[in-house]
Amino acid sequence: AIRMTQSPSSFSASTGDRVTITCRASQGISSYLAWYQQKPGKAPKLLIYAASTLQSGVPSRFSGSGSGTDFTLTISCLQSEDFATYYCQQYYSYPPITFGQGTRLEIK
Amino acid sequence: QVQLVESGGGVVQPGGSLRLSCAASGFTFSSYGMHWVRQAPGKGLEWVAFIRYDGSNKYYADSVKGRFTISRDNSKNTLYLQMNSLRAEDTAVYYCAKSPPYGDYGDYWGQGTLVTVSS
Repeated sequence: AIRMTQSPSSFSASTGDRVTITCRASQGISSYLAWYQQKPGKAPKLLIYAASTLQSGVPSRFSGSGSGTDFTLTISCLQSEDFATYYCQQYYSYPPITFGQGTRLEIK
Repeated sequence: QVQLVESGGGVVQPGGSLRLSCAASGFTFSSYGMHWVRQAPGKGLEWVAFIRYDGSNKYYADSVKGRFTISRDNSKNTLYLQMNSLRAEDTAVYYCAKSPPYGDYGDYWGQGTLVTVSS
């Protein structure tokens, strides 16, 4: 199975900050990577697919980059509604489809 | 608009069975693959199973293989997850998710249904 490792696992930031979350795959996955946002008690919401393509309706302050084994999710100017947990997911090789362990973004 | 509504969750004893359903609307259900993903209390997301648009191929996580069966009824726009030999570690919120035409991720998700395995 392809292992997905996110860093950091959690961190604090302030509204207006630029933040970057990293996701590393244990082997190359080309650009078969998605990013999700999840708020407490809610279902995950797709933000980005194919590593860098913004899902329709997602604000442009979110962006993704990378290919192969190393990927990043960047939020250019944090808004209050962005404080949530973020997950990466590979869909290059399955089963199993695998998620990262999550990155919890908290208000400083 | 796309809507996915899970049902069938509840409390079940270890070794018991449960069948989850996911009612789909707002899109041509028979044209898209579908996933089940679960989340144990306070934990991350775990992919459970995936079924192709026509039911021709099914894939499972090792943790559920041989115990869970994913299926679909395209005439009823409904996805199912039959769960047998349930264990305490199967306790989780179970989400169904729709796949887009190209790429087996989840572009739309249901609100989830809670399964609790406890004596």
